[in-house]
Amino acid sequence: DIQMTQSPSTLSASVGDRVTITCRASQSISSWLAWYQQKPGKAPKLLIYKASSLESGVPSRFSGSGSGTEFTLTISSLQPDDFATYYCQQYNSYSSFGGGTKVEIK
Amino acid sequence: QVQLQESGPGLVKPSETLSLTCTVSGGSISSYYWSWIRQPAGKGLEWIGRIYTSGSTNYNPSLKSRVTMSVDTSKNQFSLKLSSVTAADTAVYYCARDVYTAGIDPWGQGTLVTVSS
Repeated sequence: DIQMTQSPSTLSASVGDRVTITCRASQSISSWLAWYQQKPGKAPKLLIYKASSLESGVPSRFSGSGSGTEFTLTISSLQPDDFATYYCQQYNSYSSFGGGTKVEIK
Repeated sequence: QVQLQESGPGLVKPSETLSLTCTVSGGSISSYYWSWIRQPAGKGLEWIGRIYTSGSTNYNPSLKSRVTMSVDTSKNQFSLKLSSVTAADTAVYYCARDVYTAGIDPWGQGTLVTVSS
C-alpha cells in the first residue's frame, strides 16, 4: 500500500498570505497525484490533477508541483473562500489519500 | 453536467451488510471508473474502491475481504456492499466519477451511514 503523509496538519494564515502544503508518498507515484479542497458538510472539490494540472474553473492562485515522492500545493494569495481542508490523493497504485491539512484564519 | 446521488439505508446493524447505490444523471455511466470513498466524522478520506463499466474492480486492500461493487449500465447506477459492518464503518459515504488519470470528479453529496443496534 502507498501511504500519503501531509504536512502540516493545521496551518494558520491570513488573507493575502502565500500558503504551501506538502504531501509525501511512501514510494514513487510519478506524477499521479491530485489535490482536493473540502469545506465543512460538503464533498471534496478537485483542484489539481497529475500533480500540476489545474482543473477547469479553479482559480489560478492554486498551483501544484512535484513528482516521485514529494509534492506541494501552493496558494499564491490566500482568499477568504480558501479557508478549508485540503487533501492529496495518489492514483499510481489503486488510490489513497493524505490525512488532510486544515487552513485556518490566523 | 454529470451529477451523482447516493441512496440507501442510513442505519445498519452491526454484523449486517451495508448497501448503497449511486445514480448517475446528466451523462452516461459508460467508459468511466466509478469510486466509493468514505469519511468518518471529523476524520480524513478513505478510498474504498472503484469499478469500471465492464465490471472490473479495484478494492482497498484493507477492506477487500468485505467489499463488493457492481454496476448496472441500463440504470446508470453502480453499487457498494460492505459486509460484517461494525461501528468503525460509520461514516459519510461518497460516490464519485474516477477519471483515472485526472482525479476524482464530480462527487455525490454524500450519505451518512450509521452502524448501531
